[in-house]
Order: sequence, then C-alpha cells, then structure tokens
Amino acid sequence: EAGVTQFPSHSVIEKGQTVTLRCDPISGHDNLYWYRRVMGKEIKFLLHFVKESKQDESGMPNNRFLAERTGGTYSTLKVQPAELEDSGVYFCASSQGSSFSYEQYFGPGTRLTVT
Amino acid sequence: GQSLEQPSEVTAVEGAIVQINCTYQTSGFYGLSWYQQHDGGAPTFLSYNALDGLEETGRFSSFLSRSDSYGYLLLQELQMKDSASYFCAVGAFSGGYNKLIFGAGTRLAVHP
Repeated sequence: EAGVTQFPSHSVIEKGQTVTLRCDPISGHDNLYWYRRVMGKEIKFLLHFVKESKQDESGMPNNRFLAERTGGTYSTLKVQPAELEDSGVYFCASSQGSSFSYEQYFGPGTRLTVT
Repeated sequence: GQSLEQPSEVTAVEGAIVQINCTYQTSGFYGLSWYQQHDGGAPTFLSYNALDGLEETGRFSSFLSRSDSYGYLLLQELQMKDSASYFCAVGAFSGGYNKLIFGAGTRLAVHP
C-alpha cells in the first residue's frame, strides 16, 4: 500500500510569488490534514478535511493560504502571495474512518523556502 | 492556551535505556500520542495513551498520568537506528474540533 505522498519535496520561491503544494493521501482515507513546522519548532495544525469538506480550518494563518480537496482525493495548499514567514516544512497526513483520528499517517513533507 | 514541553535533545549509547518526558497544559484532553521522525522523513505514529498507565510495544513503551498532565516515551535496548526526533502530541478537543497538538520534538542521538 502506497503511503502519503507530497509534491514537491522542496520549493524555493521569492517573496510575493505563488506556490502550490500537493498531497496524495493513502487510498481510501477520508481524513486529510495539513500541518506546518517552522524552524525546528512544534508541528502546527493548519486544517482538516473530511472527504472534500473542510472540517476544521482554525489553524490556517491567514487568507493568503487556500486549501482545496476536490473530489475528496488529493489536496492542494496554495500560498499566495508568499511571505518570508511562510518558510517551513509543510506536512500532510491522512487517517481512516469518518472522523478525526489520533493515529495519522504522514507524508515526508514539502520544505518551502521563501527568499 | 495549549502547550507541551519536552526536552530539545537527549543523548544515549547503544544498548541503553532512555526516557523522553512530555508535560502538557491543555483543555479538552483525551489522549497522548508519540511520533518518530527520522531526518528528512515522515513522522510515524508510535503509540497512543488514553488511560493512565504503561503501554508496551516491543522495545518502546509509553506512559501517561492524566492527574499529573505528564507522559513519557521509554526506549529500551537502544539501537543506532533509533536516532531520530520524537514528538509528543496531545489529542484534544479544542475550538469545537478534535485535533492533535504537537510538541517541538526531542532529538535523540544514539552513540556507539
């Protein structure tokens, strides 16, 4: 069974540009989560999808971040326009069942650097 | 607010035992999870404690004391491959939703 995949693995962009991160969850996992880790600090929750619906987006930093999950399969996280403080590692995770789970399967992350 | 504290770094030798502590302050607490992350890799689920006591899974054990808002991960018979970052994460009901709230991670270095 394939794990959670994320693309790209690394992205370097200039301040003001747009970047789109993609996450493919484990097949059949209805729950999909986005997290961010900045500069060795804690892994911070961004949002949670159940199928194509945003269940909880309380962790999204501001309206420069837009997450979508059309069709309830893969998800994208767009940052537009990017700022320096958006640099960090963005993780995606997925889990089984119809609601939140403490056992989540993470992808390897996308390292975003904004210069 | 919600907060978790765990040591930033721990060093140990092969074959030894190491304990990584985690204290938390959170409302809506319902359990404590541990995740392992090797450099450049994906965080991987290790354990979950919803009730007080010790849960053992092979060389790894996890403990929770809800009354003390404290837990730990115990790694026995350390191997070089155990060198990684270990995150405690509180499962909590916060802001109307269930979520995982992570600590900053403990970097474990295992030496020969």
